Amino acid sequence: GQQLNQSPQSMFIQEGEDVSMNCTSSSIFNTWLWYKQDPGEGPVLLIALYKAGELTSNGRLTAQFGITRKDSFLNISASIPSDVGIYFCAGRNTNAGKSTFGDGTTLTVKP
Amino acid sequence: DAGVIQSPRHEVTEMGQEVTLRCKPISGHNSLFWYRQTMMRGLELLIYFNNNVPIDDSGMPEDRFSAKMPNASFSTLKIQPSEPRDSAVYFCASQNLSPDTQYFGPGTRLTVL
Repeated sequence: GQQLNQSPQSMFIQEGEDVSMNCTSSSIFNTWLWYKQDPGEGPVLLIALYKAGELTSNGRLTAQFGITRKDSFLNISASIPSDVGIYFCAGRNTNAGKSTFGDGTTLTVKP
Repeated sequence: DAGVIQSPRHEVTEMGQEVTLRCKPISGHNSLFWYRQTMMRGLELLIYFNNNVPIDDSGMPEDRFSAKMPNASFSTLKIQPSEPRDSAVYFCASQNLSPDTQYFGPGTRLTVL
């Protein structure tokens, strides 16, 4: 089946620093998704990308859909303590179909 | 809208007991997903339904696991008999075609002793 490699596995950064994480796949996806999971909660969608090369922002978050359709990255600028959590990438090929999730990047922000 | 509702939020049971997890999707959504999350294996898709019909159950670990969706507003995931290795957080998520955003419930934390 399709596999997603998400890196890094964890990050420890200082408040105010920028963060970058990425996801690569062995095969093509038509949609890339980025989720954040807070402790004790379910994942929440941050950004959805539908077109190769697309660059989308949501506040301090920016995500890009790779040209090859096999990768995506997420950047967080000027991190704040509430950015702490687990960030998941996911790839999907049909609107009603299942998403394949990466293993997550655990972000810790030190004040 | 109340979002995806899962019950119970926490379940502690003994090995061999039957466990039933419940999910109420967001009204009007026509796809429902069951996931399991553990530290070792991450977030795994167990099964998903479109319009109450199971589409892909290839992620269901074994015959001890079963899922049903008798109507558009209710689904269950049953484990019988439960084993300690089933301990995990189980998430339900629902989705509609447009926009195709998947909304997760708060999860059920299952501990099998």
